[in-house]
Amino acid sequence: DSGVTQTPKHLITATGQRVTLRCSPRSGDLSVYWYQQSLDQGLQFLIQYYNGEERAKGNILERFSAQQFPDLHSELNLSSLELGDSALYFCASSSTAETQYFGPGTRLLVL
Amino acid sequence: EDQVTQSPEALRLQEGESSSLNCSYTVSGLRGLFWYRQDPGKGPEFLFTLYSAGEEKEKERLKATLTKKESFLHITAPKPEDSATYLCAVQAMAGGTSYGKLTFGQGTILTVHP
Repeated sequence: DSGVTQTPKHLITATGQRVTLRCSPRSGDLSVYWYQQSLDQGLQFLIQYYNGEERAKGNILERFSAQQFPDLHSELNLSSLELGDSALYFCASSSTAETQYFGPGTRLLVL
Repeated sequence: EDQVTQSPEALRLQEGESSSLNCSYTVSGLRGLFWYRQDPGKGPEFLFTLYSAGEEKEKERLKATLTKKESFLHITAPKPEDSATYLCAVQAMAGGTSYGKLTFGQGTILTVHP
């Protein structure tokens, strides 16, 4: 158990819908990262927050957005969902910019 | 752009048969190279961080090494429970919009038969 929690574990929704994925980092970690893992793309970095502020951005679609709240939990919002958004979404946290500890992931299926 | 290439894509071993996984990388100033283990449907589990060429780290049957261009994960006398996907990732020196980002390889799927 890494200490990072993610909810929900599974999510099934339809194209065009909007969903919110939630992540609670390890106690004391200020950085939260979001990654997407699909069969053809592997693990891809989406976005990083540090103590409530956006720190780094990857190839995150404009339909996707994230935020980190004062209690340090983070939410990833995915809107206007497409079939190709079906993937595993992982949250990771770290106390420094180095070792990241991953949560169990949310499996998203868009039908 | 940072790139990570892992080989082989898949590796089948008999229990006790030692082998190595390769991770070749290009990065604009290496901050750290990371090895993770991932079981199907689960999140990556941290194994090692290496920071500079010549560094080695060990954990049970696993040993990670680092050169200026590649890293190796050596598995000694593997057991069936070592079966998993092993992921390599690099992190570039802090600065700009790349701060904290990990760039992952596609992974090596290891299967150890009893």
